[in-house]
Amino acid sequence: ETGVTQSPTHLIKTRGQQVTLRCSSQSGHNTVSWYQQALGQGPQFIFQYYREEENGRGNFPPRFSGLQFPNYSSELNVNALELDDSALYLCASSPGTSGQETQYFGPGTRLLVL
Amino acid sequence: RKEVEQDPGPFNVPEGATVAFNCTYSNSASQSFFWYRQDCRKEPKLLMSVYSSGNEDGRFTAQLNRASQYISLLIRDSKLSDSATYLCVVNKGNNDMRFGAGTRLTVKP
Repeated sequence: ETGVTQSPTHLIKTRGQQVTLRCSSQSGHNTVSWYQQALGQGPQFIFQYYREEENGRGNFPPRFSGLQFPNYSSELNVNALELDDSALYLCASSPGTSGQETQYFGPGTRLLVL
Repeated sequence: RKEVEQDPGPFNVPEGATVAFNCTYSNSASQSFFWYRQDCRKEPKLLMSVYSSGNEDGRFTAQLNRASQYISLLIRDSKLSDSATYLCVVNKGNNDMRFGAGTRLTVKP
């Protein structure tokens, strides 16, 4: 077990709705990264939060947004859901931002958009 | 061209076999490199970091060739428990981690 938890484990939404996914980082880790993994693909980097500020973003539209809280837990919000947003959403925590640290992944949230 | 490319496999090998996976990346400024393992319907887990000098961890050996922008993973004496998808990961910098689509390995008795 990595100590990274995510909720909910599964979620079903319809097009146009909004969703909030949650992640609790491993104790001592101040950095959380979010990824989207479509079936049969590798994880795609959405963004990273470090000490409550966004610290890097991949090629995702603004309707993907996030937050990090003082305890370093994090939320991913997706507005105006589209069918293609159906995927496994993974968060990963790490003790820093150098890029050399190991990222520890949570079990993910499986989102289905109908 | 994808930023990180891997042979998707699947690789089906008998127990005890040696198997090698390759990965190429397009951004020459990439800073750090990793192999992660992902079991079916589970999260990715770090297998090993990859260094220019090459590194070994038991039955696993990773190599990096910066000039060719090429990373490899060698698994010796394959075990049934090695069956998984192996993800090549490249840090472009600014913590932008790019994953390959993964290579599926099945080790058979």
